[in-house]
Amino acid sequence: AQKVTQAQTEISVVEKEDVTLDCVYETRDTTYYLFWYKQPPSGELVFLIRRNSFDEQNEISGRYSWNFQKSTSSFNFTITASQVVDSAVYFCALSEANGGSEKLVFGKGTKLTVNP
Amino acid sequence: NAGVMQNPRHLVRRRGQEARLRCSPMKGHSHVYWYRQLPEEGLKFMVYLQKENIIDESGMPKERFSAEFPKEGPSILRIQQVVRGDSAAYFCASSPRSGYQETQYFGPGTRLLVL
Repeated sequence: AQKVTQAQTEISVVEKEDVTLDCVYETRDTTYYLFWYKQPPSGELVFLIRRNSFDEQNEISGRYSWNFQKSTSSFNFTITASQVVDSAVYFCALSEANGGSEKLVFGKGTKLTVNP
Repeated sequence: NAGVMQNPRHLVRRRGQEARLRCSPMKGHSHVYWYRQLPEEGLKFMVYLQKENIIDESGMPKERFSAEFPKEGPSILRIQQVVRGDSAAYFCASSPRSGYQETQYFGPGTRLLVL
């Protein structure tokens, strides 16, 4: 069965600090996809990144970077030089490629608060 | 390109009433997914639909809940005889095709409050 664990329930940092959000997943499939979404206080869900299981290259997008390590089943997300606008709940999600359904399995989320 | 549209954004119902939640996917998207977010929890998959077909309803409660995605018009999530435990945020997502684990883009959600 698929499972996503985000062990950090809440993180609080001061602006300009770097912060890493952890995500560990479980799946029996060899082909799968991993996602990160952001849910700001306004409540909508914003897509951040999609990564397939064959691509272990780290990705950087501005202040955001992602570290995918298949050996430890982790897909961690780092925000460099955090800003107040980064305050949100961040969700990691997993989707398996087999079985017909393309549902996302979400972790419980990590609430990030960036203080000025 | 308009995003996923959901309405209403907020819905208040009394116990026993029916709730109808609507979702219009992004232009060009023919796959719709519904998720529920209970307070302080992550999102849980409910149902996956293509036009006129339910592909996976493994996350739908067996009773009172139904979903459809007709040939014309939005997808509808219907909850009959609502109870307080149905209070949650309901999110719809859409993607352009199946088989490739395409990114699902989410709507703003409908916050349902059952009094």
